[in-house]
Amino acid sequence: EAGVAQSPRYKIIEKRQSVAFWCNPISGHATLYWYQQILGQGPKLLIQFQNNGVVDDSQLPKDRFSAERLKGVDSTLKIQPAKLEDSAVYLCASSSGTSGYTDTQYFGPGTRLTVL
Amino acid sequence: SQQGEEDPQALSIQEGENATMNCSYKTSINNLQWYRQNSGRGLVHLILIRSNEREKHSGRLRVTLDTSKKSSSLLITASRAADTASYFCATSNSGGSNYKLTFGKGTLLTVNP
Repeated sequence: EAGVAQSPRYKIIEKRQSVAFWCNPISGHATLYWYQQILGQGPKLLIQFQNNGVVDDSQLPKDRFSAERLKGVDSTLKIQPAKLEDSAVYLCASSSGTSGYTDTQYFGPGTRLTVL
Repeated sequence: SQQGEEDPQALSIQEGENATMNCSYKTSINNLQWYRQNSGRGLVHLILIRSNEREKHSGRLRVTLDTSKKSSSLLITASRAADTASYFCATSNSGGSNYKLTFGKGTLLTVNP
């Protein structure tokens, strides 16, 4: 079975520019997650979708970050404008069910963002 | 905020030795999961232990959970060079109808051939 796909794998931008990341989850997975992983730390959940609805976006900096999941499949995460502290790896994950706590999350390879 | 805290931050052992990593957390959990992350394969789920379980095995992995001490340990037996990676514990907490994972900072394990 194909895994979670993400693109691009690497992105370098200047501060105040905008950037977008794309994620294609495992086929049939209802739940999609975006995480931010800063160097030396564990992943931090930014937003969780169930189908095309937002379940949790409590840690998403909404003044600059936005995300959408059209038709309950692919998702995009956007940062506008980027700050230096946004430099991190952005991970997308998906899980099959909707029960949440018993679901295994499958992670994509991530997008490494460098903001100069 | 970080829920789980792994200990030690870094661990270096020889191939064939056992590796033990610990995780402590602060609030009640539904389950605790361990993940491995290396540059080659990204973040991979290893094992899940529920709050009413005390021990679980999967191949060379053994996980224990002590809810009274709010701690868990991951034991990797007969380590291999390919086990070199960062290991994260992640706790699942209920927040209304949503269960989300909160990761610790991880333990960097180096297995020397």
